Amino acid sequence: KNEVEQSPQNLTAQEGEFITINCSYSVGISALHWLQQHPGGGIVSLFMLSSGKKKHGRLIATINIQEKHSSLHITASHPRDSAVYICAGFGNQFYFGTGTSLTVIP
Amino acid sequence: GAVVSQHPSRVICKSGTSVKIECRSLDFQATTMFWYRQFPKQSLMLMATSNEGSKATYEQGVEKDKFLINHASLTLSTLTVTSAHPEDSSFYICSAGRGHEQFFGPGTRLTVL
Repeated sequence: KNEVEQSPQNLTAQEGEFITINCSYSVGISALHWLQQHPGGGIVSLFMLSSGKKKHGRLIATINIQEKHSSLHITASHPRDSAVYICAGFGNQFYFGTGTSLTVIP
Repeated sequence: GAVVSQHPSRVICKSGTSVKIECRSLDFQATTMFWYRQFPKQSLMLMATSNEGSKATYEQGVEKDKFLINHASLTLSTLTVTSAHPEDSSFYICSAGRGHEQFFGPGTRLTVL
């Protein structure tokens, strides 16, 4: 069993839809990261969370420390949001989820 | 925000040659940098932790003589893939930061022919 589990693995949405990606973790961490990886490979750090909720544009990330669960929400999804989204918990090292491949169809 | 660069972004080499990949923190000092490997359609796998001024810590299953790591300064860590083979073809990514605030490099795609 992976230390960090993500769901769903693959997600296809119509442009404009509200999207949720879930992440559960079983290890002790000091922060949880949401990463975005486009087909070219480069990774962009979207959020780093220790508690509560953060919002950046159309992206919202939440974390529940007690339940060891985090969610990434995308409002009004757009084709340019198509990417792989990776949840990663950081303790003394990173524990990566397997990623969620998102495709937003125009 | 903090920036981490990698060089080269893409490299193609012949089997048996060695390839050096650089990871630089551009506007901050990083005593620790991490090196990851990513196979197609898979998540990142931690290879080693690079510590400035001391030996790197390798994850189980990662050959330290195969993947040489040097962290000579607070802004630069290098990963050298020695005697590369086609199975070493992969996407190599580094991260650097302060504690749990980590910043990722853009990655280096290595293709060994």
